[in-house]
Amino acid sequence: SQQGEEDPQALSIQEGENATMNCSYKTSINNLQWYRQNSGRGLVHLILIRSNEREKHSGRLRVTLDTSKKSSSLLITASRAADTASYFCATWETSGSRLTFGEGTQLTVNP
Amino acid sequence: EAGVAQSPRYKIIEKRQSVAFWCNPISGHATLYWYQQILGQGPKLLIQFQNNGVVDDSQLPKDRFSAERLKGVDSTLKIQPAKLEDSAVYLCASSSPSGPHGYTFGSGTRLTVV
Repeated sequence: SQQGEEDPQALSIQEGENATMNCSYKTSINNLQWYRQNSGRGLVHLILIRSNEREKHSGRLRVTLDTSKKSSSLLITASRAADTASYFCATWETSGSRLTFGEGTQLTVNP
Repeated sequence: EAGVAQSPRYKIIEKRQSVAFWCNPISGHATLYWYQQILGQGPKLLIQFQNNGVVDDSQLPKDRFSAERLKGVDSTLKIQPAKLEDSAVYLCASSSPSGPHGYTFGSGTRLTVV
């Protein structure tokens, strides 16, 4: 069963703009992770945020986590055409030993 | 460090045929996962191995899917007989035993059943 739900399903922006994607989940988690997938390729790990963290940065990526609302957001600043991909959130449940993925957000960055 | 290797990269078969996928995880990674990703959806876990033992195969359609991880290293996933709805990308991932953290995924095998 799917744990995370991403919003929006698809997002189209211009190069240089910021892109924000949201993820909601249902159960208690140990951590939440974001992955990127280029068309027809495998998933690449972007960032991990633990349940006791509220915000994390990595380069142009900023992730927030609100465990009271069971939600997370991924912000990509100053987007580039090369950022065009699908982005997935995935949760590691407190009692689990695996990641459960959402359905993803398809981001298109227009040059 | 070498990544997770998967083969073949693409496979087209007719329904009712059988197919097998291979995965070689990162050296030293005890946990290996197989996910199925249907076009436009997120990956769904099929089976999880810890060394050569199965941890979770609750989502594996056991009437047609089977997987093994002999010697706790590489793994094979088999479908027999294949159905049209099995068309998907099959992703293998591995992780180290040091606790919950990011997986490393292979590039996947894209299966088309016609």
